Amino acid sequence: QTVVTQEPSLTVSPGGTVTLTCASSTGAVTSGSYPNWFQQKPGQAPRALIYNTSNKHSWTPARFSGSLLGGKAALTLSAVQPEDEAEYYCLLYFAGAQVFGGGTKLTVL
Amino acid sequence: EVQLVESGGGVVQPGRSLRLSCTASGFTYGDYAMNWVRQAPGKGLEWVGVIRSKAYGGTTEYAASVKGRFTISRDDSKSIAYLQMNSLKTEDTGVYYCSRDLWFDPWGQGTLVTVSS
Repeated sequence: QTVVTQEPSLTVSPGGTVTLTCASSTGAVTSGSYPNWFQQKPGQAPRALIYNTSNKHSWTPARFSGSLLGGKAALTLSAVQPEDEAEYYCLLYFAGAQVFGGGTKLTVL
Repeated sequence: EVQLVESGGGVVQPGRSLRLSCTASGFTYGDYAMNWVRQAPGKGLEWVGVIRSKAYGGTTEYAASVKGRFTISRDDSKSIAYLQMNSLKTEDTGVYYCSRDLWFDPWGQGTLVTVSS
C-alpha cells in the first residue's frame, strides 16, 4: 500500500519562508502524480491551494507556490502571514487511486 | 456559484448501512468526476473513492479500506453523487466530504457519520 509522507509539524516566524514536502513510498514524485495541496483550518472543510504540481487557483495567494524538489512535491510559503497557520495536506495520484499525506501542522510564531 | 452539499450522515450501528448524497449546483455536473473523502475525528484526510464522468465510462475506483463495502454512483439528471456504505465499522466514523474532479475543487461542508453501538 502506497504511503505519502509529510512533515508532521513545522514552525515559521511571520514574514519568513517555509517549505513543506510530500514524499511517496514508491519513489520519486513526478508531475505524473498530479500533486495537489490543500489547506484546512480548524472546523472548516479543506480548501484547494495548488493543483497539478504548481498551478494556483484563482483564490490562492501569490505567496504560495508548488514545485518538485529533490524527488518530492513541495509547497513553499513566502512572507508567511499569521492567517497561514493551518494544517496542510498533499495528495498524489497513483494509477486510478489517490492518496493523501498525513498532513503538516504549520504554526506561525 | 459552484457548490457541493453533502447530506445523509447520522448515527448507525456497526454492520448496518447508510447512503450519503452530494448535491451539486453552479456547474455542468455531468462533465466532472466526483470524489468522496473522509476525515476521522482528529485525524487526517483519507480519499475514499471516485466516480468518473459518463464521458470516461462512469467508472469507479476505491481505497483499499472500503473496497467491497462502499459503492459510489451518480445521477446526472439530479446532479447528485451517492456513497452507499455497507457493513459499516467503527473505524468508518468521521466527516465525509465530496469534491469535484482531479483538482478536488470545490469541497462540500461535510456530513458526519458515527458508527457506534
